[in-house]
Formats: sequence, C-alpha cells, structure tokens
Amino acid sequence: AQSVTQLDSQVPVFEEAPVELRCNYSSSVSVYLFWYVQYPNQGLQLLLKYLSGSTLVKGINGFEAEFNKSQTSFHLRKPSVHISDTAEYFCAVRKSGNTPLVFGKGTRLSVIA
Amino acid sequence: EAEVAQSPRYKITEKSQAVAFWCDPISGHATLYWYRQILGQGPELLVQFQDESVVDDSQLPKDRFSAERLKGVDSTLKIQPAELGDSAMYLCASSLGRTGELFFGEGSRLTVL
Repeated sequence: AQSVTQLDSQVPVFEEAPVELRCNYSSSVSVYLFWYVQYPNQGLQLLLKYLSGSTLVKGINGFEAEFNKSQTSFHLRKPSVHISDTAEYFCAVRKSGNTPLVFGKGTRLSVIA
Repeated sequence: EAEVAQSPRYKITEKSQAVAFWCDPISGHATLYWYRQILGQGPELLVQFQDESVVDDSQLPKDRFSAERLKGVDSTLKIQPAELGDSAMYLCASSLGRTGELFFGEGSRLTVL
C-alpha cells in the first residue's frame, strides 16, 4: 500500500524568507504526485502535480516542487513567502490508473510578519 | 470555472441521529470520491465511484455509513446513527481521468454532540 510522510507537522517562517516543506512517499510502482493547499474551513486546492517529464514542477502562487525518484521525495519550495501563504499543505500520491489519492498528514505553514 | 458543489457546509447533530451530505461533481467527471478529514489530519478515502458503481469502499464503516450515486452524477453520503467520533470534515472530489487531479468541494463540516 502506498503511504506519504510529511516530515514536519508545523513550519513557522518569517515573511519573505524561503521555505521547504518535505514529503516522502513509499511505492514500488510509478506514481503521480501532488501538492494541495487548504485554507481554514475550505476544501483542497491543487498547487502543482507531477505526472511525468521534467522533475522540476512549477505551480501556482510561486510554488515549485522537485521529484526525486531515487530518494522517493517530492519537496515543495517557495523562494519568498507571504502572509497569505499561511495554510495547511498536503502532499498526495496515486498510482497510475483510476486510483484514489493517498494523503499525508499535512504541514501547517505559518508565515510571521 | 466549474466547481464541485457540496451541501450543507455545516451540520450540527446529536449522536444517534441520521445525517446526510450531498455532492454534485463537475459535469463530465465520471469518478467521484468521498473523503473524511479529522481535524489536524489528512483526508482519508471513504468511497470511490466510477459512474454509478462503487470502485472502492474498503474504508467505509458499513454498519453506519452508506453512499450512493444512483444516476452516475450527484452522490449522497449518509450516516445513521451518528457517533461522537464522526465529527469531521466530509470532502467530495471528482476527477476526469486516470492522470487527472482531484477537484475538491468546499466540504461539509459535521459536529456530533
């Protein structure tokens, strides 16, 4: 069975500083990888996805992620965060085919002014 | 932009009562998912539909939960009787195809007293 580990439950960072949210997955087959963001009392919004091709994926709101197959990682980065980036971030994985997403437990990003 | 519609947004009920949630996926999306998200955790799959057929309901507590998608479009998730531990956000999502991301609704937050 697939699993996703988000290594940090909470990440505080000052405004305009860079941030990295870590994600590792376990799977013996090809996978698709996603990062979603969730604001309080709202649903999940897709930030970016990796399906194939270039291992560096750019998403919305200035976020990017790098797929590393040898380390089974898909870390999310942003070079300069804003107050509005304060939210919960979820890494998710799915196998090819019509399979559901498996989510990590989430990382709460708090941007400090 | 097309959205996944869910209702109600908030529901407060007493334990042992029945509760129902409704979801209308994005038009043309054959796959529909119900996830449960306990506060501070990542979403966990309850049931997956492909058109009107259940693909995966292995994590659905079938003694009290039921889900249907009779015409392969909108879906209803029911809990009867509700228990205190059912307090959570219930998220509906839909997807277009095998590699497509999931599009989430705003969710239905259930509080069981």
